[in-house]
Amino acid sequence: DVKVTQSSRYLVKRTGEKVFLECVQDMDHENMFWYRQDPGLGLRLIYFSYDVKMKEKGDIPEGYSVSREKKERFSLILESASTNQTSMYLCASSFWGRGARNTGELFFGEGSRLTVL
Amino acid sequence: SQQGEEDPQALSIQEGENATMNCSYKTSINNLQWYRQNSGRGLVHLILIRSNEREKHSGRLRVTLDTSKKSSSLLITASRAADTASYFCATDVQGTYKYIFGTGTRLKVLA
Repeated sequence: DVKVTQSSRYLVKRTGEKVFLECVQDMDHENMFWYRQDPGLGLRLIYFSYDVKMKEKGDIPEGYSVSREKKERFSLILESASTNQTSMYLCASSFWGRGARNTGELFFGEGSRLTVL
Repeated sequence: SQQGEEDPQALSIQEGENATMNCSYKTSINNLQWYRQNSGRGLVHLILIRSNEREKHSGRLRVTLDTSKKSSSLLITASRAADTASYFCATDVQGTYKYIFGTGTRLKVLA
């Protein structure tokens, strides 16, 4: 089974702290994504990466950065956490390429619920 | 934003009844997917329908796609209490690696 693992299920941080959210997938997927989920707003894409060291901004990148130094790991960084970044953060991965593996399916982690006080 | 929208936002039915959720989107797509999310958990893929398909079945799930109306529906037949969850549609953005999710339908199935 594909597994996407997010390092922390629950985090509580203070305003101004630097926050790292880690995500690891074990299926050799090229694509990795970070979404945030808020009530009434659904899932909004923060950043995605289609290869090592490659990244592209999603719809709401402000206040966030990402790092992809290895294919299996995609990190989301909040340089200076603010209260409006309190949210559920979801990491996902998918295969990109030809053949039967290219189903378009996204595989999600269990989510990291971040509270910024 | 190209975000899709699900309708209704919330749905409450009795066990054994059918549940229908709708999704509308704004741009041309290659495929549309439906996902399920149990409370406080990650999303789980249910079914994918390609733009050249009109209907697809998987167990108790039936998905339809009308590209002329830019809409899709998810039907869950003979619902069970365990189907209680939020359901999201997701569309790919042509020419990119991105997927856009709707705001979801919260389904509650009463035993």
